[in-house]
Amino acid sequence: KQEVTQIPAALSVPEGENLVLNCSFTDSAIYNLQWFRQDPGKGLTSLLLIQSSQREQTSGRLNASLDKSSGRSTLYIAASQPGDSATYLCADYNFNKFYFGSGTKLNVKP
Amino acid sequence: DAGITQSPRYKITETGRQVTLMCHQTWSHSYMFWYRQDLGHGLRLIYYSAAADITDKGEVPDGYVVSRSKTENFPLTLESATRSQTSVYFCASSLRSNEQFFGPGTRLTVL
Repeated sequence: KQEVTQIPAALSVPEGENLVLNCSFTDSAIYNLQWFRQDPGKGLTSLLLIQSSQREQTSGRLNASLDKSSGRSTLYIAASQPGDSATYLCADYNFNKFYFGSGTKLNVKP
Repeated sequence: DAGITQSPRYKITETGRQVTLMCHQTWSHSYMFWYRQDLGHGLRLIYYSAAADITDKGEVPDGYVVSRSKTENFPLTLESATRSQTSVYFCASSLRSNEQFFGPGTRLTVL
């Protein structure tokens, strides 16, 4: 069974700091990896999708990287803002299913 | 409206009752998924469907039934609701290995 792990489970940083969220997966034969944001009481919003043939994707202040050989993905958030406070989840796609990590809860303090 | 919608958004029912949660998407995505999200367990896959009339079990299928007679709809039925099925249910869709999109969720309480 594919397992996806996210560390840390929670993170609190001051506004303006650059930060990295980590995601690791056990099976390197994934098709893609997707990062999501979830606000309290809300659904999941897709942030970035990295196909297995890609190494990274960027959207605004967000940059996600993928290293299949080491089973790792990172989400880099530049110049964090209080509005970035949310839970961030990663999910990889393998064998017709998406496997989710348990998320990193981010708090950006003003 | 375009996108993926779920209904109802909130539901309270009693133990033993049958409940159906609806999911509708307008993108003609081939794949659709049902997840439940619980504190301490994260998102767990209940059932998924690769196309109309094709469904398969996920991680926690017991107590649930799905059907997919049309590409755009993927209802989830709790045949006899139990308190352990109190949860937030999310429907999602994707084009096979491409980006997955989620609905807003249904908060179900079983008394």
